[in-house]
Amino acid sequence: GAVVSQHPSWVICKSGTSVKIECRSLDFQATTMFWYRQFPKQSLMLMATSNEGSKATYEQGVEKDKFLINHASLTLSTLTVTSAHPEDSSFYICSARAGSVGNTIYFGEGSWLTVV
Amino acid sequence: GDSVTQMEGPVTLSEEAFLTINCTYTATGYPSLFWYVQYPGEGLQLLLKATKADDKGSNKGFEATYRKETTSFHLEKGSVQVSDSAVYFCALMNNFNKFYFGSGTKLNVKP
Repeated sequence: GAVVSQHPSWVICKSGTSVKIECRSLDFQATTMFWYRQFPKQSLMLMATSNEGSKATYEQGVEKDKFLINHASLTLSTLTVTSAHPEDSSFYICSARAGSVGNTIYFGEGSWLTVV
Repeated sequence: GDSVTQMEGPVTLSEEAFLTINCTYTATGYPSLFWYVQYPGEGLQLLLKATKADDKGSNKGFEATYRKETTSFHLEKGSVQVSDSAVYFCALMNNFNKFYFGSGTKLNVKP
């Protein structure tokens, strides 16, 4: 079946640095990818929606200059957390959809970010 | 707006007990409904889904029925195992493919 892979699965970075998380669709072309974050003991919250070749659409309250999303190809979207702070420590998960609205969405395994 | 409400946990059961985790939703249009499971240290795994009213999703002994009249999608399992211990998320996907998740219910199954 379709697989969405995230890398890295775990990352620790120092405050003030930037960290990039990749989301790849391994056996299908993902025209749309979604990024979520999950705070400890809370649910997943949608951060942004990215369409290949265009700017991401961010949900209300998500800083687009801090969470840079690039969807440069049909199989890769990246989330860059810039100038990371400890409060950015979270579980980030992506999902991907092939084709148009209504098609199946697949979730990645998620990436744990710890900022120290 | 669209939202999902599920019962708070943790839920602690003995092995072979009956499980129910309640989930209700608010949505415009005709959402699809899902249950996802998250094992410790892992990502989300789709457990089951239902795409229209009266559909029953089932997998690994779990089942849930899409009830439009009560806007519910309660998760049930007749006999839980220790290996079912995890966090369970109810979710809906609206007509724009946006997911809305409940807050999650942690299930602890004791031997």
